Amino acid sequence: EAQVTQNPRYLITVTGKKLTVTCSQNMNHEYMSWYRQDPGLGLRQIYYSMNVEVTDKGDVPEGYKVSRKEKRNFPLILESPSPNQTSLYFCASSFPGHRQYFGPGTRLTVT
Amino acid sequence: SQQGEEDPQALSIQEGENATMNCSYKTSINNLQWYRQNSGRGLVHLILIRSNEREKHSGRLRVTLDTSKKSSSLLITASRAADTASYFCATDGVNAGGTSYGKLTFGQGTILTVHP
Repeated sequence: EAQVTQNPRYLITVTGKKLTVTCSQNMNHEYMSWYRQDPGLGLRQIYYSMNVEVTDKGDVPEGYKVSRKEKRNFPLILESPSPNQTSLYFCASSFPGHRQYFGPGTRLTVT
Repeated sequence: SQQGEEDPQALSIQEGENATMNCSYKTSINNLQWYRQNSGRGLVHLILIRSNEREKHSGRLRVTLDTSKKSSSLLITASRAADTASYFCATDGVNAGGTSYGKLTFGQGTILTVHP
């Protein structure tokens, strides 16, 4: 089954404690992306990757890091989380120019 | 920056009525996509319309695209209570060479409520 998986689905953490949200896709997509969703702001892109070892900043990259060492995986790293990074995070993948497939979301709370 | 601007922000209708949502954008696109999201859950892809297409249908959905006005509309006909959700448009931009660079930009969404 074609899918994008994210882990964990829910996470409560404290300010400053490094965390990683994993994202994996099984469709051999070149393109992967991370979004955050906040009430009234829609989805905003954090980082995206056109292929292995190729990443670029989206609209709200501050405070986040990504890496794309393998085609199927695109982890999102928060080196020092802060409360303003409390949000709902989505990973997505696609072939360029085609529809995106979204993961189920990760609800992160930073206290 | 948010390229897609959606209108209205909220729409409340009765079951059986049609619902129309509009999306405007600012730059050249490869395609425009519409997604649905039920209350804080995952995004469901509805339809993708390419820049050289003007209209597309899928079941009760009809999407139009006017690239000269940089706008799109989503029409849901004969709405049902189960259509209650947030609807987002997302644009897939193009680079200077005219090809997609795979960056989707979402609008803020329209909240649709369909009353039984």
